[in-house]
Amino acid sequence: GENVEQHPSTLSVQEGDSAVIKCTYSDSASNYFPWYKQELGKRPQLIIDIRSNVGEKKDQRIAVTLNKTAKHFSLHITETQPEDSAVYFCAASRMDSSYKLIFGSGTRLLVRP
Amino acid sequence: ETGVTQTPRHLVMGMTNKKSLKCEQHLGHNAMYWYKQSAKKPLELMFVYNFKEQTENNSVPSRFSPECPNSSHLFLHLHTLQPEDSALYLCASSQEREGPETQYFGPGTRLLVL
Repeated sequence: GENVEQHPSTLSVQEGDSAVIKCTYSDSASNYFPWYKQELGKRPQLIIDIRSNVGEKKDQRIAVTLNKTAKHFSLHITETQPEDSAVYFCAASRMDSSYKLIFGSGTRLLVRP
Repeated sequence: ETGVTQTPRHLVMGMTNKKSLKCEQHLGHNAMYWYKQSAKKPLELMFVYNFKEQTENNSVPSRFSPECPNSSHLFLHLHTLQPEDSALYLCASSQEREGPETQYFGPGTRLLVL
């Protein structure tokens, strides 16, 4: 069945360093890849997304890259700050009537001041 | 933050109880979702409603019964739950057009089944 693998499960970086989280998906028909950030005790919130017609998208310190051939996509956070500490989830979806998002298992990012 | 609301925020129930979770979206969206979030597990999609019609039931046990009376409201009726059903239940909504769009989540209901 459809599956999204996410790595690493935990990531600790020094403030100012970069963080990279990687996801691999199994359904080659997937064409929408959002990333959600969930702070402790709060709801998941979309931080960036990418569709299969582009290979990279950037929004200030956050960027996402997509490799359709290899079926993987990555989140890059540069100049990390303590407030970036949270759990990050990747997801994949295909364009059909169900609009089903398949989520990765999450990465707990800790940015050390 | 108030676009999708959920009540109650916390719920403790026994295995023989019947309770309902409520979700309301104020974003004018046409699709609503129920997810289950357990510790150390990915977010699991439970149900999808598109224009009030259920379009997805992700092999969810019948002790969970969804109801969508209109495109703004979504309920999850619970009965004879098991302790392993204890989790954070998240509602989400989106405005679906020709393909998948951003899903906006509610704050969740943290459920404990004793």
